[in-house]
Formats: sequence, C-alpha cells, structure tokens
Amino acid sequence: DAGVTQSPTHLIKTRGQHVTLRCSPISGHKSVSWYQQVLGQGPQFIFQYYEKEERGRGNFPDRFSARQFPNYSSELNVNALLLGDSALYLCASSPHSNQPQHFGDGTRLSIL
Amino acid sequence: SQQGEEDPQALSIQEGENATMNCSYKTSINNLQWYRQNSGRGLVHLILIRSNEREKHSGRLRVTLDTSKKSSSLLITASRAADTASYFCATEGGSNYKLTFGKGTLLTVNP
Repeated sequence: DAGVTQSPTHLIKTRGQHVTLRCSPISGHKSVSWYQQVLGQGPQFIFQYYEKEERGRGNFPDRFSARQFPNYSSELNVNALLLGDSALYLCASSPHSNQPQHFGDGTRLSIL
Repeated sequence: SQQGEEDPQALSIQEGENATMNCSYKTSINNLQWYRQNSGRGLVHLILIRSNEREKHSGRLRVTLDTSKKSSSLLITASRAADTASYFCATEGGSNYKLTFGKGTLLTVNP
C-alpha cells in the first residue's frame, strides 16, 4: 500500500506570495493532520481534519488555512508568506484516534 | 507550544552500545508515541504506548511510561550506525488526534 504522499517536495517562494501544499493519505485513513517543522525543532501542529471537517487548529495565524476533499486528500494554503514560514511542512494520516499517525516525507518550503 | 521535552538533546555512542532517551510531558495523555526522523525527512513511527500501559517492546526497542511522573523512556539495544537519527516523543491527549512533540534527541551511533 502507498504511504502518505505530499507534493511538491521542494518549493521556493518570495515574501507576500501564497502557496498550496497537497497531501494524499493512506487509503482508508479519514484523518489528515498538518504540522510545521522549523529547523532544529519538533513538529508543531497546524490543523487536523476528519471526515472533511476541521477537528483542531494550532496556534497559527489566519494566513494558514486548509481543507479536506471527499477522497480525504487535503490541501494546506498559506497566504502573504513571511520569511518565518520557511520550514518543512508535514502531513500525517491516521484511521482514528489512539492509533499511530503516518507521516509523508514533507514539503520543504523556502521563502526568499 | 512543545509539551514534551526529550533528554538528552544529543547523544553519541558506539555501535553495539545501548541508547536511552527520556521524555517528560505536562498534561494528561491518551498515548505517547516515539518517532524517528532522518535528516529532516518525514517521521517514521516507532512505537505507541497507551496511558494504561507501563512497558512495551518492539524488536530492539523498549519503551516505558510512568504517568505518575509524566515521563517516558526509549531504549534502543545493540545500536547500529543506521540508528543515527533524531528521535521525538509525541503525546496525544483529549478528544482529537493532535500530536504534541518535544524538541527531539539527536542520536549519533559511531561505527
């Protein structure tokens, strides 16, 4: 079975632009979560979606938004990019709570 | 904010030795999970221990959980150079699937 896939793998943007990151969960997993990992830190929770509804939101500004589609894939959108948004963005899927989350390889976003 | 705190921040050992990493957390949890990350890539799930469990094994891995002390430890026995990576503990609590990660332990296994 395919694991969690994320696209693109690398992305370079300039300040003020917007970006869309994509994630396909493992087949059968209805929950998708997004995390931001800044160099040298652990991942920070951004969003969680389950059955296309937002279940949780981390401490991120409104420039960050996400959605989940009927096939359970998900997009993370970030508007008005700042230098501090440079990070590895990770997507994870899980069938339900109290189960391991499976991570994709991430999208490396660099803001110039 | 980070809930877990791993200790030590960095650990360097020789191949064949055992490596022990500790994790402390602050709030009540449903489970605690350990992940490995190689060179800033995706995280690989290692082991999950639920709040009503005290010890769990998987291959060369042994995890303990002490909910009274809000702490966990990960033991890797007979380490190999391929075990070189960053190791994170993450807690899941409440009614959602959110994971709260620590800052990680960088393990270097020298051949």
